[in-house]
Amino acid sequence: DTGVSQNPRHKITKRGQNVTFRCDPISEHNRLYWYRQTLGQGPEFLTYFQNEAQLEKSRLLSDRFSAERPKGSFSTLEIQRTEQGDSAMYLCASSLDRGYQETQYFGPGTRLLVL
Amino acid sequence: AQSVTQPDIHITVSEGASLELRCNYSYGATPYLFWYVQSPGQGLQLLLKYFSGDTLVQGIKGFEAEFKRSQSSFNLRKPSVHWSDAAEYFCALDRGSTLGRLYFGRGTQLTVWP
Repeated sequence: DTGVSQNPRHKITKRGQNVTFRCDPISEHNRLYWYRQTLGQGPEFLTYFQNEAQLEKSRLLSDRFSAERPKGSFSTLEIQRTEQGDSAMYLCASSLDRGYQETQYFGPGTRLLVL
Repeated sequence: AQSVTQPDIHITVSEGASLELRCNYSYGATPYLFWYVQSPGQGLQLLLKYFSGDTLVQGIKGFEAEFKRSQSSFNLRKPSVHWSDAAEYFCALDRGSTLGRLYFGRGTQLTVWP
């Protein structure tokens, strides 16, 4: 059983550039979540997918952010025109939705630094 | 609205001492509750979870937590801390509906003295 994987693990970019992160969930999991974690804080929810459908987006997810899960497997999170405030750890989690008692399993995260 | 409070930002204990990390929640119904641990630069690892039933739950690495509805708490405990337990610990709440997003506390950083 391979866990949740995320790539890249680290990304340094200049302000104004676009970046894209990838998340590969645990294979049988139908839900996929994105969270953002800034220094000294707990993770904050960004968005989640049930299969390929994006079911909820946080107000934190500005119009510069877009997430996709085209075939209900891996997901990508793109940030356009990055700003220094986007510097954070971006965490992906997956789960198997059975309608009750859901447990989310997290990947190692992608740490973004915007210069 | 729902929220999770971890009152202690940083705790220091000696190796071999007992540990209790506090977690309080605010929610209008009985939530699902989780504890995760995060080592520096890493993702979150699930320690234990509470859905229903027995209010004392056992987890990995010798951790346990007790759900107390009357106190809206879900404190994490370990009888004897090891140096490898040094990490950041997060308590999280799930509303228990089909909308599974987690609400996290801000975390407690644990330092273990040798």
